[in-house]
Amino acid sequence: GNSVTQMEGPVTLSEEAFLTINCTYTATGYPSLFWYVQYPGEGLQLLLKATKADDKGSNKGFEATYRKETTSFHLEKGSVQVSDSAVYFCALTGQGAQKLVFGQGTRLTINP
Amino acid sequence: GAGVSQSPSNKVTEKGKDVELRCDPISGHTALYWYRQSLGQGLEFLIYFQGNSAPDKSGLPSDRFSAERTGGSVSTLTIQRTQQEDSAVYLCASRVRADRTDTQYFGPGTRLTVL
Repeated sequence: GNSVTQMEGPVTLSEEAFLTINCTYTATGYPSLFWYVQYPGEGLQLLLKATKADDKGSNKGFEATYRKETTSFHLEKGSVQVSDSAVYFCALTGQGAQKLVFGQGTRLTINP
Repeated sequence: GAGVSQSPSNKVTEKGKDVELRCDPISGHTALYWYRQSLGQGLEFLIYFQGNSAPDKSGLPSDRFSAERTGGSVSTLTIQRTQQEDSAVYLCASRVRADRTDTQYFGPGTRLTVL
């Protein structure tokens, strides 16, 4: 079945550091890929998405590129802020499916 | 416009009792999903509704769990004879249509604690 694997957390960085959160997936065909973020005390919200190979999703300075050859969708940001502290979830919807399959989440803490 | 709303925000119940959790999707969204977020299992799909089609119940963990969607809008997730392992945050999401590329919009969740 479809699955998503994210890098283990927690991740702690200093403000203005470069961020990468790795995400790889297993799926048949061409899934749609998503990054969701959960800020403290809030619900899940979409951060960015990509629906076909080589697409780049971007939002709020975050980027992720859909890499079919490496089955990856790594999340990057050039300069993180304290306000980026949250839990980040990589997810996919498989071809012919409707449900989201999530990775285990990565807790990110940014220190000033 | 308003987002997905869920009620109650918190529910504490005793083992063996039944609970009902409510979800109001975004107006006009035809697809509705329930997920569960727990420490041990992460985020898991439970059930999916699309229009008048039969729901996809493939994620329900046992026959104690059921859900319905009335009038193509509000949905209720019912857990009968609750167990401690049912303690989790139950999330509802809706989507404009049944297109897997579309964004699912999540509600704030109901935190269920079974004592």
